[in-house]
Amino acid sequence: DIQMTQFPSSLSASEGDRVTITCRASQTISGYLTWYQQKPGKAPKILIYTASSLQSGVPSRFSGSGSGTDFTLTISSLQPEDFATYYCQQSYMTPWTFGQGTKVEIK
Amino acid sequence: EVQLVESGGDLVQPGGSLRLSCSASGFSFSNFAMHWVRQVPGQGLEYVSAISSDGGSRYYADPVEDRFTISRDNSKNTLYLQMTSLRPEDTAVYYCVQGGGKEVATRQTVDHWGQGTLVTVSS
Repeated sequence: DIQMTQFPSSLSASEGDRVTITCRASQTISGYLTWYQQKPGKAPKILIYTASSLQSGVPSRFSGSGSGTDFTLTISSLQPEDFATYYCQQSYMTPWTFGQGTKVEIK
Repeated sequence: EVQLVESGGDLVQPGGSLRLSCSASGFSFSNFAMHWVRQVPGQGLEYVSAISSDGGSRYYADPVEDRFTISRDNSKNTLYLQMTSLRPEDTAVYYCVQGGGKEVATRQTVDHWGQGTLVTVSS
């Protein structure tokens, strides 16, 4: 199985901060990488698909980059509604696998 | 608008059985592979099972192999997960997920998630 290593596992940031979350695959996954935002009691919400494509309706402050094994999710200016847990996921190979999650908390 | 609506989650005793359903609408259900992903409350996401668009190919994660059966009825636009010999560690929210391809093993996008249904295994 492809292992997805996501870091940091948590971070504290202030409104307006630029936030970067990294995800590393144990082998190449080309661009089959999805980023999610999840809030308590809710289903994961797709933010970015195929590594860098912004899901419809998602604010442009979210962006994704990378290919192969190294990927990044960036929030350019953190807003109050962005405090949540973020996950990466590969769909290059079955079984799909997920990063451990990054909890973004208020500083 | 694509909708995936799971149902069937419940409290069940260890060793018991349960069938989850996922009703799909807003897309051509019979053209896409479908997947189940679960999440223990407060923990991460775990891939459970998948089925190809025509039902001919299936995948099961090791923890559920031989206990869970995935199936679909394309005439009813519905995905199922039959769970038997349930264990406390199967307690989780189960999500139905639409993939972007027809087959289970091919690389594909992840297109839509349902809202989830909670399965609790406890005596």
